[in-house]
Amino acid sequence: DQQVKQNSPSLSVQEGRISILNCDYTNSMFDYFLWYKKYPAEGPTFLISISSIKDKNEDGRFTVFLNKSAKHLSLHIVPSQPGDSAVYFCAASNAGNNRKLIWGLGTSLAVNP
Amino acid sequence: DTEVTQTPKHLVMGMTNKKSLKCEQHMGHRAMYWYKQKAKKPPELMFVYSYEKLSINESVPSRFSPECPNSSLLNLHLHALQPEDSALYLCASSQLVFTTEAFFGQGTRLTVV
Repeated sequence: DQQVKQNSPSLSVQEGRISILNCDYTNSMFDYFLWYKKYPAEGPTFLISISSIKDKNEDGRFTVFLNKSAKHLSLHIVPSQPGDSAVYFCAASNAGNNRKLIWGLGTSLAVNP
Repeated sequence: DTEVTQTPKHLVMGMTNKKSLKCEQHMGHRAMYWYKQKAKKPPELMFVYSYEKLSINESVPSRFSPECPNSSLLNLHLHALQPEDSALYLCASSQLVFTTEAFFGQGTRLTVV
């Protein structure tokens, strides 16, 4: 049973526009969420995180929004750049599970020039 | 230095071979991890070391044997692997186990023939 779901396997966006990547979770005990970005043949790179006590965290072009009642988070990239083309993984953890990361299946983002 | 270095980058081995994957970090992180990643899947946790002691083994077959010689090094010894073990093997580290974001190495692309 997938506790962290990224329902869009892929997304295509024009350069300069907004990219919105979505993530849903089923375990209400999750209290910390992370986004990782992965290029082919490389390890994932940490992008941004959010604690459940917040509903928004911003870092440059990247903003993560958390809607706890809907068990939904989203990553906004504005403006999107061709170098953002990668696979984006959403991950979640909670103290009750030793903070082990539970990963989504990823969304492949293509930013077209 | 925010790097996790993995060697080799690529490895082809026969099913009767013995080989080792190596991982090194000099960030003073006390938690180190081995993950396995198949194409179009998220990273799958294998082992976690905390303060040089094995703290989590995710029911990994004994043909994979981890070792943590010191706080900067993590090895994964491989013996009698199967073709289905072919994957990208990722090492990661974090300040403490799962409490902070993990830094990943570039991975070792393993092919078992």
